[in-house]
Amino acid sequence: RKEVEQDPGPFNVPEGATVAFNCTYSNSASQSFFWYRQDCRKEPKLLMSVYSSGNEDGRFTAQLNRASQYISLLIRDSKLSDSATYLCVVNPRDSSYKLIFGSGTRLLVRP
Amino acid sequence: NAGVTQTPKFQVLKTGQSMTLQCAQDMNHEYMSWYRQDPGMGLRLIHYSVGAGITDQGEVPNGYNVSRSTTEDFPLRLLSAAPSQTSVYFCASSYYGSGGEGEQFFGPGTRLTVL
Repeated sequence: RKEVEQDPGPFNVPEGATVAFNCTYSNSASQSFFWYRQDCRKEPKLLMSVYSSGNEDGRFTAQLNRASQYISLLIRDSKLSDSATYLCVVNPRDSSYKLIFGSGTRLLVRP
Repeated sequence: NAGVTQTPKFQVLKTGQSMTLQCAQDMNHEYMSWYRQDPGMGLRLIHYSVGAGITDQGEVPNGYNVSRSTTEDFPLRLLSAAPSQTSVYFCASSYYGSGGEGEQFFGPGTRLTVL
């Protein structure tokens, strides 16, 4: 079983739609969680951190469910510019401080 | 600030050749790392460093060497290239400790093909 699992998609949605991505992680001791965005043939960039209480940044909402080891990202009012791959990332915060990346969910927003 | 820079952007090697991928950052970050990204596999950690003179292995270290003589530079050496090392390589850096590792800043990547 992969340490971080995501639905690869692609999710193909019209502009203005609401779309949700899910991610599960296997290490119950994991401490920190993030969503990164990666545009085609570009490097990943941090989109937002995920806090236990849930957090929102404009049209983006991230939630964490520790009991189910589940992270979600909700995008409201999708824009064409949201088309990208969204990477779920977990930091187990063990002594090595390694980040574990999911393989990503691809989003295509159509006009 | 230039952030994280990588050279070259593209490289084609023949099996058995060696080369060094360069990575530099100007943000005074302690933590630097190398990843490879293959289709459907996500980013996998090759080697990482928590400061000058300190390096350690990641998930897929075989066939690669690193060194960290300065805070700024973290080169990745391919000892004897193999077709299985065809991939996109990303270097990243971040602050170390207090959870700062979560926000990693990535370089633009090196696309390597081994024939």
